[in-house]
Amino acid sequence: DTEVTQTPKHLVMGMTNKKSLKCEQHMGHRAMYWYKQKAKKPPELMFVYSYEKLSINESVPSRFSPECPNSSLLNLHLHALQPEDSALYLCASSPGLTNSNQPQHFGDGTRLSIL
Amino acid sequence: QKEVEQDPGPLSVPEGAIVSLNCTYSNSAFQYFMWYRQYSRKGPELLMYTYSSGNKEDGRFTAQVDKSSKYISLFIRDSQPSDSATYLCASGQNFVFGPGTRLSVLP
Repeated sequence: DTEVTQTPKHLVMGMTNKKSLKCEQHMGHRAMYWYKQKAKKPPELMFVYSYEKLSINESVPSRFSPECPNSSLLNLHLHALQPEDSALYLCASSPGLTNSNQPQHFGDGTRLSIL
Repeated sequence: QKEVEQDPGPLSVPEGAIVSLNCTYSNSAFQYFMWYRQYSRKGPELLMYTYSSGNKEDGRFTAQVDKSSKYISLFIRDSQPSDSATYLCASGQNFVFGPGTRLSVLP
């Protein structure tokens, strides 16, 4: 089991639905990340939060809306997704930002399917 | 040119073999590198983390960084079928992963 917990593990939703992905870590890490991973491809960075503030948004469409309610939790709100958004969504955390010498630890992801 | 390049494989080796996995990077400002192992339907698991040039060893795994040639390697000794997974190298500077190498260790 990983120390970064993601729920749900699987999610199937229609294009008009609204749903949320959740991520939790209790390692005291202050940086949290969302990645998108398509089959047989590497993870692609979506968002970075540092000390609960959005630090990086990699030009992600507005149908993805991140939220960091506190230092242990990270949410990704989904609305009006497209079939091409079907992927594995990974959450990661690190003690500080990775570009200051801090490796990331990943959860096992939410496998999202858009009908 | 991608910032981190990696041979995607697949790579098949017999059990007990020494495996060499390699990545190259283009940005000389990169200083930190990670190797992750990802099993099917799981998230990436941190294997090794290196900062400076040279070798770092952890059990059967050795990570090597050559900054002069912008080359990073992961060696797996006495490979086991349980090592069958995708191995991802990553730069710590800008959250960029290589495409991953799929490894199969055959019993």
